[in-house]
This record gives sequence, structure tokens and C-alpha cells, in this order.
Amino acid sequence: KNQVEQSPQSLIILEGKNCTLQCNYTVSPFSNLRWYKQDTGRGPVSLTIMTFSENTKSNGRYTATLDADTKQSSLHITASQLSDSASYICVVSAKDSNYQLIWGAGTKLIIKP
Amino acid sequence: KAGVTQTPRYLIKTRGQQVTLSCSPISGHRSVSWYQQTPGQGLQFLFEYFSETQRNKGNFPGRFSGRQFSNSRSEMNVSTLELGDSALYLCASSLDAGAGANVLTFGAGSRLTVL
Repeated sequence: KNQVEQSPQSLIILEGKNCTLQCNYTVSPFSNLRWYKQDTGRGPVSLTIMTFSENTKSNGRYTATLDADTKQSSLHITASQLSDSASYICVVSAKDSNYQLIWGAGTKLIIKP
Repeated sequence: KAGVTQTPRYLIKTRGQQVTLSCSPISGHRSVSWYQQTPGQGLQFLFEYFSETQRNKGNFPGRFSGRQFSNSRSEMNVSTLELGDSALYLCASSLDAGAGANVLTFGAGSRLTVL
């Protein structure tokens, strides 16, 4: 069964600190992996999209990694800011006839001043 | 370039009523996907429309329906509302069909509350 699991469920850190969010998936065949940021009550915004051949991708202070062998991805946030408070969702695309997206439940990140 | 526009942003209905939500995609995008998001839950896929045809459908009852117009604008309808339909309904557009093969741009969502 295609699944995406994220950890931790929630995380509280102090402003200025770094943090890493985890994503494990069992999706086959694999097409790509995406990280989205979703502010409360708003639609998700794409941070990164990685294909099988990419193992690191950055978007400002956000760096995503992908290990296709172990089927794991991480999102590292550097020098966190209050505006980073949001849910971060890992999404994996299956390379099937419909290219369906399998969504993780998200990690809720709270940045405290 | 205007983003994805969803209307209305907020609405309150009572059980048994029906509701229609609208989504205007980014200009030039021909695919529109709809998702339901309830508190603490991941996004649940409702359906995808491309060139006025439903391309994919998620595991939702027949009370949930949608359509797409020739200008790519899409509507979704929920009939005989139930309390459990209270959710944030999100619309996403992409250039081509197949959400997983394209970059999705989401709207701000329509927050539906069923009393």
C-alpha cells in the first residue's frame, strides 16, 4: 500500500534555531517527492520538488534531501523565523497511470520568540 | 499573474443543504484538482478535471460532484450536507493533466462549516 509517514507530528523550537523534519514513504513506482508549507487556514505552497536522481534541493533557508534507496526524505530549516510557523507536508507522486499524489499528514512546526 | 482564486472563502450551511464552491485556475492552466482537508488530516483527493472531463476521482460518496467549464474554471458541489463535511476545500491548478507529474498551485481554500 502506498503510504507517506511524517515525523514528528509537531515540533516547537526557538526562533533562530535549526530543525529537521522527516518523511518516510512506501510508494512504488516512484516519480517525485514534494515538500509543501501550509499556513493555518491557507492552501499549501510548494517548497521543493525532487525526482529520483536528485538528492538535495534548496529553497532559501529550506533544504530538502532525498534518499531513494531507503525511501526517506528530510526538510531542514536553517535559522528559523517566526514566519516559519506552519504545517510542512511531504507528498510523493506515484508513477502510475494517474500519477496520483500520496499526501503525508504533515508536521506542525511552531517557532517561539 | 493572478493565482488560483476560490470563492467563497467562508460559508456556513446547515445539514441537508447543498453547497457549490468555485475555483478559477491560473490563466493557461487546464487541469483543476479538488481536495478536502479536515483538522489533523492530510489532504484527501476529491477529483481532477482536465479539458472539461473528470480524469480521476477519489474515494468520496456520490454527494460530491464537480465539473469544469470551457474556460477551465471549475465548480464542486456537495449535496445533502452532513456535519462531517465541515472542512477546508482546496483547489489546485496545473498546466497539464496528472497532478503528480505537474507543479500544483493551490488556492486559499473555501472553509465550509456545517451546523
